[in-house]
Amino acid sequence: NAGVTQTPKFQVLKTGQSMTLQCAQDMNHNSMYWYRQDPGMGLRLIYYSASEGTTDKGEVPNGYNVSRLNKREFSLRLESAAPSQTSVYFCASSEQGQGQETQYFGPGTRLLVL
Amino acid sequence: GDSVTQMEGPVTLSEEAFLTINCTYTATGYPSLFWYVQYPGEGLQLLLKATKADDKGSNKGFEATYRKETTSFHLEKGSVQVSDSAVYFCALRKTNAGKSTFGDGTTLTVKP
Repeated sequence: NAGVTQTPKFQVLKTGQSMTLQCAQDMNHNSMYWYRQDPGMGLRLIYYSASEGTTDKGEVPNGYNVSRLNKREFSLRLESAAPSQTSVYFCASSEQGQGQETQYFGPGTRLLVL
Repeated sequence: GDSVTQMEGPVTLSEEAFLTINCTYTATGYPSLFWYVQYPGEGLQLLLKATKADDKGSNKGFEATYRKETTSFHLEKGSVQVSDSAVYFCALRKTNAGKSTFGDGTTLTVKP
């Protein structure tokens, strides 16, 4: 049982390049999330998917798109990377998206945009 | 909007010292409250949680009590170990809501 996995672990991009961050969970969870973590700040929600086939914007969605490919996978795409998107990106999942549920986090993707 | 305020770090303690990390929140309704811990190079993992007022969450010697009257969820441990060195995040989440609101995190370093 791997939990939540993310690829790649580390990526360097040039301004304007595109890339997709991959996330998969094997816990049969319905809800999945993408957060970014910047130094000295808490996690901020980019997008979330309450269930397969649905996605919603979070707190900081600009410059990102997401795809809930199936129940297991939730990808985050940067179409034209900017230095302001340098951050650590965490994917998370939870069973139903209810308030009292624990979220399970992946190990993170460290992205540097030059 | 909802917000979570944590005591600023970093916090440095000697092994076996008492730990308190303060957390207060602002939210409408009745959120669930969480403490997550992040070890170096890893993702966040749940430390403990409380889902209603006066509940006490506890795990690995850590505990926190959901105080609605003071809108607080302070994290405590009676005797810290070097292995407790990590970043601790307080978070709230509302019923049937998609997102969590996180505090900025408090870095704890425990010295032998």
